[in-house]
Amino acid sequence: QVTLKESGPALVKPTQTLTLTCTFSGFSLSTSGMRVSWIRQPPGKALEWLARIDWDDDKFYSTSLKTRLTISKDTSKNQVVLTMTNMDPVDTATYYCARALRPLNYFDYWGQGTLVTVSS
Amino acid sequence: DIQMTQSPSSLSASVGDRVTITCRASQSISSYLNWYQQKPGKAPKLLIYAASSLQSGVPSRFSGSGSGTDFTLTISSLQPEDFATYYCQQSYSTPQSFGQGTKLEIK
Repeated sequence: QVTLKESGPALVKPTQTLTLTCTFSGFSLSTSGMRVSWIRQPPGKALEWLARIDWDDDKFYSTSLKTRLTISKDTSKNQVVLTMTNMDPVDTATYYCARALRPLNYFDYWGQGTLVTVSS
Repeated sequence: DIQMTQSPSSLSASVGDRVTITCRASQSISSYLNWYQQKPGKAPKLLIYAASSLQSGVPSRFSGSGSGTDFTLTISSLQPEDFATYYCQQSYSTPQSFGQGTKLEIK
C-alpha cells in the first residue's frame, strides 16, 4: 500500500534553514507521471501548496516562496527533500507531503504531517 | 497564479441536512478541481477529484459538480462524522492552490 511520512526537526530558530524529508513506499518516483508535493498548514489556517517534484525531475515552486525553497529527490531511497531557508516564526506550520499522478494531479495519498515551530 | 475562493467560510447545520459548499476559481480550470475533508489533527482526505468523480471508499452522499470557474460540493444528508473542514484545490496549473476552507459545524 502507499504510505508517506514526513521527518525533520520539530523546532528551528529564526534565520535557520529547515530540511524536511518525505519517505514513501508503495510507489516509485521514477514511474512516469508520478509527482510528490509539499503542502503546509499554519495552526488554525488553510492549506498552502509549497513545491512539487516530478518523475522526470521537473520542479515547481510557490510563487511567494520560490526564492527560499529547494526540492529534490533520491529515487533509490524513495525520498523527497524540501529545504526552506531563512525561517521565520510565520513559517510555523504542519508540513505535509502528498502524492499525485499526472494528468489529474489530485493528492490521493498524504503523509501524517510534521509540526515545525520556529522560535528562538 | 490562480486564486480559489470558497463560500461560506463556516456553516452550521444539523444531522440529516443537505449542505452545499461553493468554490470559485479566478480563471477557468476546466474540471481540474478537487475536494478534501480535514478533521482536527489529521491530514486532508480526498473526497472528489476532477470536479465530480467520487474517490474510492467515499460515501455516495458526497457529490461534486461544476466546470470552468464555478464548482460545488454537496453532502446530501449530513452524518455526525461529516463535521469537519472542507477545502477545494485546483490542479490545472502550478502553483497549485487551495481555497481558504469551509468549516462545517454542528447546529
